[in-house]
Amino acid sequence: QQQVKQSPQSLIVQKGGISIINCAYENTAFDYFPWYQQFPGKGPALLIAIRPDVSEKKEGRFTISFNKSAKQFSLHIMDSQPGDSATYFCAASMAMGGATNKLIFGTGTLLAVQP
Amino acid sequence: ETGVTQSPTHLIKTRGQQVTLRCSSQSGHNTVSWYQQALGQGPQFIFQYYREEENGRGNFPPRFSGLQFPNYSSELNVNALELDDSALYLCASSLGGGLTQYFGPGTRLTVL
Repeated sequence: QQQVKQSPQSLIVQKGGISIINCAYENTAFDYFPWYQQFPGKGPALLIAIRPDVSEKKEGRFTISFNKSAKQFSLHIMDSQPGDSATYFCAASMAMGGATNKLIFGTGTLLAVQP
Repeated sequence: ETGVTQSPTHLIKTRGQQVTLRCSSQSGHNTVSWYQQALGQGPQFIFQYYREEENGRGNFPPRFSGLQFPNYSSELNVNALELDDSALYLCASSLGGGLTQYFGPGTRLTVL
């Protein structure tokens, strides 16, 4: 019940196209949903995040769509660029009491944007 | 503002040995979380430290332990290393009560 399921495992998109990555969760205790971008040999970098009381959040070319009733959320990358080629992880945050929380990560999507 | 830093970058150990990994949190952040990322997988939560106390632990055995110091830096200790401990170990810092965690570059541990 603490899992976050992510798809697809890999994605190839042409430059200028739209990349779409989907995630689903079961536990309604999750209250924060970030997306991280990770390049080889580097740590994950926060890309964009959303709370469950919002259905959509946009930052530049990156948009999160959130469907609370379906317990699904997705990342859209508009005008995909070769520099976007990386592994993308969705995550969900669960409170552990007090002022702390932990992140449950999806399995990742390897995105390749072809020039 | 200084980001999260980790040391060492890479480490090679043999089975049965012990290892200590270090993390300096982002300036002003008082909470440190540790994650294990196996090759091709998402990070898995190990534990979190807040105000020098362990505050939450994932599904990892007691041979994984940690410390947080008064300056909020942290150590991850792993005893009796096993081959499956080979992974990228990530440290993330946050401000207590804040939801956003910022990750360091990680330490790549190889156990032979």
